[in-house]
Amino acid sequence: GENVEQHPSTLSVQEGDSAVIKCTYSDSASNYFPWYKQELGKGPQLIIDIRSNVGEKKDQRIAVTLNKTAKHFSLHITETQPEDSAVYFCAASIPGGYQKVTFGTGTKLQVIP
Amino acid sequence: DAGITQSPRYKITETGRQVTLMCHQTWSHSYMFWYRQDLGHGLRLIYYSAAADITDKGEVPDGYVVSRSKTENFPLTLESATRSQTSVYFCASSENREPYEQYFGPGTRLTVT
Repeated sequence: GENVEQHPSTLSVQEGDSAVIKCTYSDSASNYFPWYKQELGKGPQLIIDIRSNVGEKKDQRIAVTLNKTAKHFSLHITETQPEDSAVYFCAASIPGGYQKVTFGTGTKLQVIP
Repeated sequence: DAGITQSPRYKITETGRQVTLMCHQTWSHSYMFWYRQDLGHGLRLIYYSAAADITDKGEVPDGYVVSRSKTENFPLTLESATRSQTSVYFCASSENREPYEQYFGPGTRLTVT
């Protein structure tokens, strides 16, 4: 099955700096890559996703990039704010299995005011 | 209340007891999922359901039983709880069409003593 590795497991940045979280996947057939944000005491929530026919996608201060050849994708958060502090999960899914995503192990991001 | 709810939010039980975690969604989403979240493992899929009366195993199904007699409910039962099942459990649901976003409940923290 699919295996998703995520790094780093923890990340501390100063407010206003950028944060980057990286993930790799094992199944070259994967073509859907969502990112979820989990705030303390809550369930994860989708913040952005990317499909394999797109190399980059942006939504305000967050962006995702995908390198299919290397089988890795990344989340970039610019101008970080304290409310960005949370656990972030990357995930991957193969065609026909869109309903079953494999999650990475999570990155705890701390934005220091 | 609209959305996806889980009950109880917190549960302490003893080894060997049967425990049922409840999940209810009001969107009539066809897909529902159960995950467990453990430090260092991220989110791991226990079981999922594509529709009422259709369920399938995920990555870590041993020791768990599910049923789905109605679209809106997806209970998870631990038939004989073990300490290794101490975890935070999340239920999620999604439509069977793009963008395939999974909507997570608030979670149930289960402690097995």
